[in-house]
Amino acid sequence: ETGVTQSPTHLIKTRGQQVTLRCSSQSGHNTVSWYQQALGQGPQFIFQYYREEENGRGNFPPRFSGLQFPNYSSELNVNALELDDSALYLCASSPTTNTEAFFGQGTRLTVV
Amino acid sequence: AQSVTQLDSQVPVFEEAPVELRCNYSSSVSVYLFWYVQYPNQGLQLLLKYLSGSTLVKGINGFEAEFNKSQTSFHLRKPSVHISDTAEYFCAVSEVDSSYKLIFGSGTRLLVRP
Repeated sequence: ETGVTQSPTHLIKTRGQQVTLRCSSQSGHNTVSWYQQALGQGPQFIFQYYREEENGRGNFPPRFSGLQFPNYSSELNVNALELDDSALYLCASSPTTNTEAFFGQGTRLTVV
Repeated sequence: AQSVTQLDSQVPVFEEAPVELRCNYSSSVSVYLFWYVQYPNQGLQLLLKYLSGSTLVKGINGFEAEFNKSQTSFHLRKPSVHISDTAEYFCAVSEVDSSYKLIFGSGTRLLVRP
């Protein structure tokens, strides 16, 4: 059974650019959640997608957007990158919306 | 609004000694409770969870936690730690009625010394 995979593992972007992070959910999982983990802090919920629809959103500005595809993989897009967007971005998949979340290894984004 | 407080940012302990990592939460509604572990350069792995029933929850790697509703606490314990337990530990809560969203504490770094 393949777990949650994220790509790329590391990324360096310049302030003002746009970035797309990708996540493949675990087999059989139809729900994907995204979290931002700044250095030395706990993860913060960005949003969740269930069957291609946004199912809940945390306190993040609209320049953070997402997408879920028919195969339940997902993308996180961030526009107009700011230095404070530098963080580890974690994707988690679940069999349904309110069950245990299985996390990927994350994408480390550095904005310079 | 919910919040999670992990009272210790770092806990140093000698190998084979017992350890307790503290977690307190604040919520006006019923919650589910979780402990996750994060090893360097990795994602989060679920150690254990409390959904309902017995307040003493046993997890993987010999960890256990006790839910105390009156104290709004969910402390993590292990009777004898190993060097390999060195990692960051996160306590998290979610509302029963909107459990898609996990609220995490700031983490406790467990440092096990030989």
